[in-house]
Amino acid sequence: LAKTTQPISMDSYEGQEVNITCSHNNIATNDYITWYQQFPSQGPRFIIQGYKTKVTNEVASLFIPADRKSSTLSLPRVSLSDTAVYYCLVGGNAGGFKTIFGAGTRLFVKA
Amino acid sequence: EAGVAQSPRYKIIEKRQSVAFWCNPISGHATLYWYQQILGQGPKLLIQFQNNGVVDDSQLPKDRFSAERLKGVDSTLKIQPAKLEDSAVYLCASSAWAANEQFFGPGTRLTVL
Repeated sequence: LAKTTQPISMDSYEGQEVNITCSHNNIATNDYITWYQQFPSQGPRFIIQGYKTKVTNEVASLFIPADRKSSTLSLPRVSLSDTAVYYCLVGGNAGGFKTIFGAGTRLFVKA
Repeated sequence: EAGVAQSPRYKIIEKRQSVAFWCNPISGHATLYWYQQILGQGPKLLIQFQNNGVVDDSQLPKDRFSAERLKGVDSTLKIQPAKLEDSAVYLCASSAWAANEQFFGPGTRLTVL
């Protein structure tokens, strides 16, 4: 199972773009990369998922280089409400999709 | 569409007592997960079901924890007997298929005294 490494915490200001990078050196060929957001006292919420290159949705972009050993979650123009913990997960369908949450990155957005 | 339902939301018990949690996944979701989240840590997968079969229970403390998913829909997670270190939030999640987006319930906060 691929292990992920993320920064423990990050600070930002409102209106800035935030990039959170996740390392997953042992990613397997059939692994997807998924990011979740978690607010206090709530369950995690799916943000975005990708396999390679770039994926964009209405809330974020996910950049995955060709070697897929890392990925970067990009949050454009963050607001105070984006203060949360962000988790990077790597997993695939070999023997069932196995999900391992790391400690996550605590993002604190300041006014 | 209704989300993942869990009950109870809060539970306080004494060590060595038993407790059970219930989860109702999103209708039609084949995959169901139970996670344990200790304060300040990421969720830890306890067990994953695909329909009513177990895909992964490698991190489930089987001497005290058990889970079932009868008929491939609702699921219950039981702890018997509870220990102080079981104090955590227990999250249930479901997904349409194993590699897809997981939808989480609100969780059950367990306090063991």
